[in-house]
Amino acid sequence: QQQVKQSPQSLIVQKGGISIINCAYENTAFDYFPWYQQFPGKGPALLIAIRPDVSEKKEGRFTISFNKSAKQFSLHIMDSQPGDSATYFCAASWKGAQKLVFGQGTRLTINP
Amino acid sequence: NAGVTQTPKFRVLKTGQSMTLLCAQDMNHEYMYWYRQDPGMGLRLIHYSVGEGTTAKGEVPDGYNVSRLKKQNFLLGLESAAPSQTSVYFCASTSGDFGFEAFFGQGTRLTVV
Repeated sequence: QQQVKQSPQSLIVQKGGISIINCAYENTAFDYFPWYQQFPGKGPALLIAIRPDVSEKKEGRFTISFNKSAKQFSLHIMDSQPGDSATYFCAASWKGAQKLVFGQGTRLTINP
Repeated sequence: NAGVTQTPKFRVLKTGQSMTLLCAQDMNHEYMYWYRQDPGMGLRLIHYSVGEGTTAKGEVPDGYNVSRLKKQNFLLGLESAAPSQTSVYFCASTSGDFGFEAFFGQGTRLTVV
């Protein structure tokens, strides 16, 4: 019940296209949903995060959409660029949890 | 400000050998974590600590031990390395405040032959 399921495992998008990565969870206690971005040879870094009191959060070309009733959230990358090529992890946590639960990761490749 | 620093960055071990991975953070964070990253498996939590002198088991703790003798350091030990422990290991730290941002180190690539 503490799992976060992420899909797809890999994704190839043309430059300028929209990249969409999905995550689903079961634990209704989760109330913090961050996305992390990892470039090859580097550690993950926080990209954007959302709380369940809003359905969408946008930062530049990156948007999180949150569907509380479906227990799903997704990352949308608009106007995808080759520099966005990386592995993306969704995660979830709840107050007092002391740790994050990560999805399996999505390797995103943006073709020029 | 160095953030989270892991030592070493690369290591090759023979089966049965032991080693210690060191993680140091300079952000005065309370919480520290050790993850392993394997293809298709995401980030799996090995052990974590919520303060100096405390440790707790994560999702995949078997074959590993940890210690947090100083707030800024978190050590991960492998007493008798096995090929199944070949992986990339990441240390992370957070303030522990709700909605916390986790800061990760650069990783240690460990190969056990």
